[in-house]
Amino acid sequence: AQSVTQLDSQVPVFEEAPVELRCNYSSSVSVYLFWYVQYPNQGLQLLLKYLSGSTLVESINGFEAEFNKSQTSFHLRKPSVHISDTAEYFCAVSERSGYSTLTFGKGTMLLVSP
Amino acid sequence: DVKVTQSSRYLVKRTGEKVFLECVQDMDHENMFWYRQDPGLGLRLIYFSYDVKMKEKGDIPEGYSVSREKKERFSLILESASTNQTSMYLCASSLSGTPNQPQHFGDGTRLSIL
Repeated sequence: AQSVTQLDSQVPVFEEAPVELRCNYSSSVSVYLFWYVQYPNQGLQLLLKYLSGSTLVESINGFEAEFNKSQTSFHLRKPSVHISDTAEYFCAVSERSGYSTLTFGKGTMLLVSP
Repeated sequence: DVKVTQSSRYLVKRTGEKVFLECVQDMDHENMFWYRQDPGLGLRLIYFSYDVKMKEKGDIPEGYSVSREKKERFSLILESASTNQTSMYLCASSLSGTPNQPQHFGDGTRLSIL
């Protein structure tokens, strides 16, 4: 079985400041890693994913995440946030050899203020 | 673009009622999922289905059942609704094959049990 820990339930930040949302996972097998974003009153949308290859993955809206196998982490970063980035962010894992089920962290609410 | 449609955005029911939540996807995905989302708990998997008439229990199946008679439709059933089932319910779908396929989510149904 796997588990996901998102260490911060809420991260307040000012517009144009950098941000890091932390995610650590635990699993006895190899996993795929995902970040999803949920804007108010909407479902979740895939932000980015790590499947294999380069440990640094990027999204189209400036977020990036780095897979660190030794630290079992997949932290999400953005060098300069916008008001529109205000949302809840979920880290998730799935086993490489199992069903396509996801185990989610409890989420981190990113609050960007002017 | 994948479209996952949940039949109701908001639903209010009474304790003891039988409640049906419907989900339809338009991309011929084999896998479909039902989650509940509660503040501070993230998303928890209730049931999933990897094919028509197939179902598997997730992490919190108690008090719920599901039905998948057609590939595009996955229904969640609360046999006898209770107040502790008040929650946001999210449906998702994905392609089968490998667990690296992202899940596509509907906008959710906010269910209140009075």
